[in-house]
Amino acid sequence: DAGVIQSPRHEVTEMGQEVTLRCKPISGHDYLFWYRQTMMRGLELLIYFNNNVPIDDSGMPEDRFSAKMPNASFSTLKIQPSEPRDSAVYFCASSWTGANNYGYTFGSGTRLTVV
Amino acid sequence: RKEVEQDPGPFNVPEGATVAFNCTYSNSASQSFFWYRQDCRKEPKLLMSVYSSGNEDGRFTAQLNRASQYISLLIRDSKLSDSATYLCVVINSNSGYALNFGKGTSLLVTP
Repeated sequence: DAGVIQSPRHEVTEMGQEVTLRCKPISGHDYLFWYRQTMMRGLELLIYFNNNVPIDDSGMPEDRFSAKMPNASFSTLKIQPSEPRDSAVYFCASSWTGANNYGYTFGSGTRLTVV
Repeated sequence: RKEVEQDPGPFNVPEGATVAFNCTYSNSASQSFFWYRQDCRKEPKLLMSVYSSGNEDGRFTAQLNRASQYISLLIRDSKLSDSATYLCVVINSNSGYALNFGKGTSLLVTP
């Protein structure tokens, strides 16, 4: 298995532009999570899905952020319009409820820089 | 205030030393506990789960004190390759399966 695949690995964009981050979870996993990591705040949960349904989006900073999971093999996190304070590393993770230790696997992350 | 608190360090120790990290959590509904390891510019990876009775995995020992809401990680005979950030992680019964991370403790093992 290729693991959780995120794209792009790096993104540099100008303030005000739309940014779309992509994630392909591990096949068979029923949970998908989006996290953001910054030096100031560490790793924070943004949103998570169970069987493609959003369960908790209370961590999404504001209306500029949106996430979708149209099917079991794909999810997107969109920021529109982007701002410099959105600069961070965004991780996607997937897991399945039947695994020991919840079977979490993280993707390699997308490093976003908004200038 | 974060729900999971850790001393950020850095902890600088010589090879072969024993080092201990501590973590406290504030949500009494926390039900599962882990230590994750994160190397520089990489994703977090599970190091070990933490059980109430304490558990060991080679040079690593994890302890949980539910009454004090306190978790610890002990690393014996430190190796250069142990240099990383160690993240204390809990899962709360009221947040599904979402991992709740501390900000991490940085460890540097020197020759």
